[in-house]
Amino acid sequence: DTEVTQTPKHLVMGMTNKKSLKCEQHMGHRAMYWYKQKAKKPPELMFVYSYEKLSINESVPSRFSPECPNSSLLNLHLHALQPEDSALYLCASSPAPQPSYNEQFFGPGTRLTVL
Amino acid sequence: QQPVQSPQAVILREGEDAVINCSSSKALYSVHWYRQKHGEAPVFLMILLKGGEQKGHEKISASFNEKKQQSSLYLTASQLSYSGTYFCGTGVTGGKLIFGQGTELSVKP
Repeated sequence: DTEVTQTPKHLVMGMTNKKSLKCEQHMGHRAMYWYKQKAKKPPELMFVYSYEKLSINESVPSRFSPECPNSSLLNLHLHALQPEDSALYLCASSPAPQPSYNEQFFGPGTRLTVL
Repeated sequence: QQPVQSPQAVILREGEDAVINCSSSKALYSVHWYRQKHGEAPVFLMILLKGGEQKGHEKISASFNEKKQQSSLYLTASQLSYSGTYFCGTGVTGGKLIFGQGTELSVKP
């Protein structure tokens, strides 16, 4: 299995809702990432998990809360989001936790719309 | 800190060649190249590391000039499937990967 899966594919939520994005990989990778991508822009790093521990938080607002329950699973909990948070949220994994030295495998993303 | 890519967009006919450049004002540990088709996830193409090591697809070639902090991706005999947005990503201290703004490549029949 050489893919990263993400659910749901699309999500529409109101500003008072609580929702979660899920990411899964079964490649034995030890690093997992959340990126945010706006239209016609590059992916922006949000969080990095290394061996199931949060190693990088790019000053992301607390309304985004990551969680890594085990080495194959990564969640992103969403609460009280703003319309400007609407974007494509990409999950990625890499074999080892040095993102600058290891290729990253991206999931198809979750298209999030905040009303 | 974001690397700068050039050109921003390029249109090719099938079979033509193209070069996409990536430069940084910061010291680089590595350069990554990814391609993203519209509505799809970015796909890994190549990593170039300090010291000359490369990892990636056999049909893709790239160079990394550590002193000039620049990398170039060479696309030869382009095919329709090469169309998409190409991102370079530069590895910086802290182990982070920062992507350039992207180069949109369109290959026409």
